[in-house]
Amino acid sequence: SQQGEEDPQALSIQEGENATMNCSYKTSINNLQWYRQNSGRGLVHLILIRSNEREKHSGRLRVTLDTSKKSSSLLITASRAADTASYFCATDAPGGSEKLVFGKGTKLTVNP
Amino acid sequence: NAGVTQTPKFQVLKTGQSMTLQCAQDMNHEYMSWYRQDPGMGLRLIHYSVGAGITDQGEVPNGYNVSRSTTEDFPLRLLSAAPSQTSVYFCASSRTGFLYNSPLHFGNGTRLTVT
Repeated sequence: SQQGEEDPQALSIQEGENATMNCSYKTSINNLQWYRQNSGRGLVHLILIRSNEREKHSGRLRVTLDTSKKSSSLLITASRAADTASYFCATDAPGGSEKLVFGKGTKLTVNP
Repeated sequence: NAGVTQTPKFQVLKTGQSMTLQCAQDMNHEYMSWYRQDPGMGLRLIHYSVGAGITDQGEVPNGYNVSRSTTEDFPLRLLSAAPSQTSVYFCASSRTGFLYNSPLHFGNGTRLTVT
């Protein structure tokens, strides 16, 4: 059962533009995490935001969390061709922090 | 530092065959897990382990067995392969099972085709 759902499914932008991806989830969470997957590779952790946090930054990444709307957004500023990848949100599953449930991902293409 | 190592990278099986996908981590992580990734389905949790000797089922455990006899290794066994098990399999580990506190580290995957 999917907990997080990313939106949009695919996004194509030009280098230098900002990219925004959204994630909605269904039940209360302890934390929400964002991961990146380059084609043919494993996922790489980007950022973790706890339920009592509203915003976190890491380099060109900005993540927000709105627990009242059960949603999160990932903003990549000044995108580069190397940011081309799929981005996934993940939340702890209902009933247990030992299971991380992933959404279906947003495929981001950054055109040079 | 190798991180999470999965072998093999590619495998083709015939229906009914069995095999073991290997996963090893050298970070002394307590938590290890297996996911499968299918087009349009995202990642789905198969089995996980919070420490040596302890395993539990995830979202899609049927047709798969796991064991955790050491901290480092977490093999995934396909008992009788079926075409529905064609997928990319990822092993991931974390420092603890409290995943709200420690992120997952992923291997590079095993691409399995069952004919």
